[in-house]
Amino acid sequence: GQQLNQSPQSMFIQEGEDVSMNCTSSSIFNTWLWYKQDPGEGPVLLIALYKAGELTSNGRLTAQFGITRKDSFLNISASIPSDVGIYFCAGRFHSGGSNYKLTFGKGTLLTVNP
Amino acid sequence: DAGVIQSPRHEVTEMGQEVTLRCKPISGHDYLFWYRQTMMRGLELLIYFNNNVPIDDSGMPEDRFSAKMPNASFSTLKIQPSEPRDSAVYFCASSFRGEQYFGPGTRLTVT
Repeated sequence: GQQLNQSPQSMFIQEGEDVSMNCTSSSIFNTWLWYKQDPGEGPVLLIALYKAGELTSNGRLTAQFGITRKDSFLNISASIPSDVGIYFCAGRFHSGGSNYKLTFGKGTLLTVNP
Repeated sequence: DAGVIQSPRHEVTEMGQEVTLRCKPISGHDYLFWYRQTMMRGLELLIYFNNNVPIDDSGMPEDRFSAKMPNASFSTLKIQPSEPRDSAVYFCASSFRGEQYFGPGTRLTVT
C-alpha cells in the first residue's frame, strides 16, 4: 500500500525561527493535506493542495505540492509559541471514483522555545 | 458551524465491557471516517461510510469492533468485548469532496 515518510520526526526551535518539514510518498497523490494537532484535540486542517506545483499560503504557513506528485512540504515562518504541536501530512489518490481515503504521515512534533 | 461532535470525550472501562463511541458529522457532509490513534501506530483508518453506507472496513482490527451509521447525522463505533490493547484515542472525521474535518476525539482507557 501507499506509504508516507514525514520528516523530521521532531524539531526544537527558538521563537522567531522559520520551520520546514516535508513528506514523501512511494506513489503519486492527487491531493496533499496538512494538519496540526494540539494536545488533547483532533487534527485541524491547515492547508489543502490539489494540483502538482501548487503553492498555497495560510498566514505564516506555506505549503507546496511537489511537481512529481510524490512529495509536499510545509514551511512556517517566524514561529511563535502557539505553533507548538504535531503536524501531519496526508495524501489521497483517486482516479475518477469516490475514494476519499487519506494516507497519513507519522507526524512532526514541533517545540518552540520562547 | 459546530464541527464534528464526539461523545464521550473520555471513557474508562474494564476489560470485557462493551464500549460505544458516538459521532455527529458536520451537516451536509456525505463521508464519515473512524480513526484510531496510538503512539506506536499513529493514525489508523478503521472504517468509512459514504451516504450512510459502509464502503471500506478493512481497517477494523477484528470482529470485536463494529460501526453503524443509521442516518446522515449519527454514527457509532462499538467495541465488545473491550480489551486493554484497545486503549487509544478514537477520532471521527467527516468530509465533503475530499477535505476531512476531525472531531475532538474520545480517549478510551481499558483497564
